[in-house]
Amino acid sequence: QVTLKESGPGILQPSQTLSLTCSFSGFSLSTSGICVSWIRQPSGKGLEWLATICWEDSKGYNPSLKNRLTISKDTSNNQAFLKITSVDTADTAIYYCARRLHYFDYWGQGVMVTVSS
Amino acid sequence: DIQMTQSPASLSASLGETVSIECLASEDIYSYLAWYQQKPGKSPQLLIYAANRLQDGVPSRFSGSGSGTQYSLKISGMQPEDEGDYFCLQGSKFPDTFGAGTKLELK
Repeated sequence: QVTLKESGPGILQPSQTLSLTCSFSGFSLSTSGICVSWIRQPSGKGLEWLATICWEDSKGYNPSLKNRLTISKDTSNNQAFLKITSVDTADTAIYYCARRLHYFDYWGQGVMVTVSS
Repeated sequence: DIQMTQSPASLSASLGETVSIECLASEDIYSYLAWYQQKPGKSPQLLIYAANRLQDGVPSRFSGSGSGTQYSLKISGMQPEDEGDYFCLQGSKFPDTFGAGTKLELK
């Protein structure tokens, strides 16, 4: 059974760095073809793909945010991570991690992140 | 980036009515197209992948079709539990991009 669960700080101030963790089970990020992605959704709005990391450690970033994003993984502990630097109120959203093939087949429940002074 | 133009933005259907949602890609995405349903306060659920393949556990009234740049999701017989938001996703080329979504309501 594949499960993913996101964790994060809940609330942070503008200019801080957001650190998110995706803890998953039921698959391994060392298996060929498997990737984990981060996607976010501001309240009442659509979905925005942020970043992906794959089994062989290749990484992809949304060009609109690329300079602010860092994705990484800990294969032995079944975790993936995302850091977003210099956050502002526009980064307030629900952040999801998901397993990616050529589509996202399993999603976490999401974690709400609020950026506020 | 590949742009995904999804239509309509909102839709109201009667019980048992057949519903269609469309996604148009700005270039050929070679059937790397998925459809999702999202209900309030929940994460998106995969309905269709590879344009026309039904995800395990999804009712057979959901179907997908299309190729090249044009894709559609059909719900054959609207049910109350089908209310929600629907999104398409292209996974052909980074960055992955979503359609803007369709809000489906029961009339």
